[in-house]
Amino acid sequence: DGGITQSPKYLFRKEGQNVTLSCEQNLNHDAMYWYRQDPGQGLRLIYYSQIVNDFQKGDIAEGYSVSREKKESFPLTVTSAQKNPTAFYLCASSMGLAPTYEQYFGPGTRLTVT
Amino acid sequence: EDKVVQSPLSLVVHEGDTVTLNCSYEVTNFRSLLWYKQEKKAPTFLFMLTSSGIEKKSGRLSSILDKKELFSILNITATQTGDSAVYLCAVAEEDNAGNNRKLIWGLGTSLGVNP
Repeated sequence: DGGITQSPKYLFRKEGQNVTLSCEQNLNHDAMYWYRQDPGQGLRLIYYSQIVNDFQKGDIAEGYSVSREKKESFPLTVTSAQKNPTAFYLCASSMGLAPTYEQYFGPGTRLTVT
Repeated sequence: EDKVVQSPLSLVVHEGDTVTLNCSYEVTNFRSLLWYKQEKKAPTFLFMLTSSGIEKKSGRLSSILDKKELFSILNITATQTGDSAVYLCAVAEEDNAGNNRKLIWGLGTSLGVNP
């Protein structure tokens, strides 16, 4: 089955630790995205990548880093510099850059930092 | 500031009712408006609207865009319990060169359908 997988579903970390969220897709999509979803706020774009070895900052990139070494994978690292890391993180992919091309979303990772 | 406002924030209906969800926007360089359904976790794509007055339809769901009044509605007829979800609206901006710039997301409307 084609799709996007994110792991883990739930993640708990202590403040001050970096944590990496996984996102893998087997849809052969060129573009991938990371969003953050908080109560009372719409989805906010963290980073996106149009092709391998290239990525751009979204609206709230501070405190996050990404890599795109393979077409299928777009991991997100939440660093200790991110002031409010507790949130629901969604990964998405599309054949080409959205919104011209439909985005497909993964099931999300809920990160809790205490 | 660019923004997308959805209303109502939440509503509860009975199975069989018809509902209308609203999405209004203020965006500098509008390109398109998208509707997504989010059940528990992953949003799934419903519609993309670019032209005013042309209804998009998929089963019991339909949507239309009014670019003059800057809003869109999502209609669901004969609602079922499986329609219970958060419905998200997003507006795509383009830059002055006509390239995709970004999506601006609304907060969503939480719909509950009771049997």
